[in-house]
Amino acid sequence: SQQGEEDPQALSIQEGENATMNCSYKTSINNLQWYRQNSGRGLVHLILIRSNEREKHSGRLRVTLDTSKKSSSLLITASRAADTASYFCATAIYGTSYGKLTFGQGTILTVHP
Amino acid sequence: DGGITQSPKYLFRKEGQNVTLSCEQNLNHDAMYWYRQDPGQGLRLIYYSQIVNDFQKGDIAEGYSVSREKKESFPLTVTSAQKNPTAFYLCASSILGGYTFGSGTRLTVV
Repeated sequence: SQQGEEDPQALSIQEGENATMNCSYKTSINNLQWYRQNSGRGLVHLILIRSNEREKHSGRLRVTLDTSKKSSSLLITASRAADTASYFCATAIYGTSYGKLTFGQGTILTVHP
Repeated sequence: DGGITQSPKYLFRKEGQNVTLSCEQNLNHDAMYWYRQDPGQGLRLIYYSQIVNDFQKGDIAEGYSVSREKKESFPLTVTSAQKNPTAFYLCASSILGGYTFGSGTRLTVV
């Protein structure tokens, strides 16, 4: 089964609003990563947060990690139509081969102009 | 520019045929991966390789084979034993955790 479960499966908002996506996982991790995928394209790495970190920022992105709840959230502030894409969380599981990631099923974000 | 190149972008296969998907990277990354993505789903790991001449099965390796003769190249063969090969295939490489993905190959069985 998938290590990461994402919520919601789909999110529709207006330009300028904030978008929050959540990811839950089952086992201890080394790090958690967020990726973006435009329709029919490869994934683009957005941000990596390590298991000993609680929050990271990158531009309009803010990621939090709560290892006690085994969950993470991705916040996109002041969204733009160009942010429309699928967003995936991926976990590097503690004790497995270095670099091997397990992906969630993704959240489809639609930002209306 | 450094990156990962997957080819072809679209591939059509007849029942019973083997096909090979190409993945080349010039990022000098040691690790490379193949994932399969079905509509509305996340990525599932097929095979991965951490160094040249070594590779391991992922979660859904049945019906697939790979080779890693060069650091830059990690081709994936979809064999006739793969019962449902129609999918989007993504290759990735990594160093220090973050992945760089290719743009994918869409394989359709006709």
